[in-house]
Amino acid sequence: QKEVEQNSGPLSVPEGAIASLNCTYSDRGSQSFFWYRQYSGKSPELIMFIYSNGDKEDGRFTAQLNKASQYVSLLIRDSQPSDSATYLCAVSGGSYIPTFGRGTSLIVHP
Amino acid sequence: EAGVTQFPSHSVIEKGQTVTLRCDPISGHDNLYWYRRVMGKEIKFLLHFVKESKQDESGMPNNRFLAERTGGTYSTLKVQPAELEDSGVYFCASSDPVLAGINEQFFGPGTRLTVL
Repeated sequence: QKEVEQNSGPLSVPEGAIASLNCTYSDRGSQSFFWYRQYSGKSPELIMFIYSNGDKEDGRFTAQLNKASQYVSLLIRDSQPSDSATYLCAVSGGSYIPTFGRGTSLIVHP
Repeated sequence: EAGVTQFPSHSVIEKGQTVTLRCDPISGHDNLYWYRRVMGKEIKFLLHFVKESKQDESGMPNNRFLAERTGGTYSTLKVQPAELEDSGVYFCASSDPVLAGINEQFFGPGTRLTVL
């Protein structure tokens, strides 16, 4: 059974700091990796996706993928209180159907 | 452009009753997905429509769940009869890989189902 593991948190960081969110997955055949942000009571929103080993940067967000270690992470630089949310890691193979982790709760305090 | 909408936002029913959830995808999106999140667990895939056809229904828990997408537009998910373990948040998502280049799924706000 495919599994995606995340620390549930909460991860608490001060405003302006770097938040580091981590995710491991079990299926070595996984091809696509996604990070969703979900505010309380709202729908998950895709914020980053990555396919290749290495880093991918988009604004304050950087996704890092290491397929050999089956590890994907999300770094949020200059964290803001508005970044406080649950971050869901999702992994998929060729079927486009993602397997989700349970999410990590991030709290950015002023 | 309107996003994915779901109705109702909340539903409270008694065990044994029937409930029908509705999802309206983003206009033009051929792909429609249903997911469920049980409290404390991860979001889990239920099924995938391409237009009106069921592409993958491997995640449907049992035959008490019936999904339809007549005409390839909106979709309904009926639970009959509902059981206590069916409680959770049901999400709908839609995507159009041709336009997006990747399978970027846009999620609706979810329907919170409580079975008493």
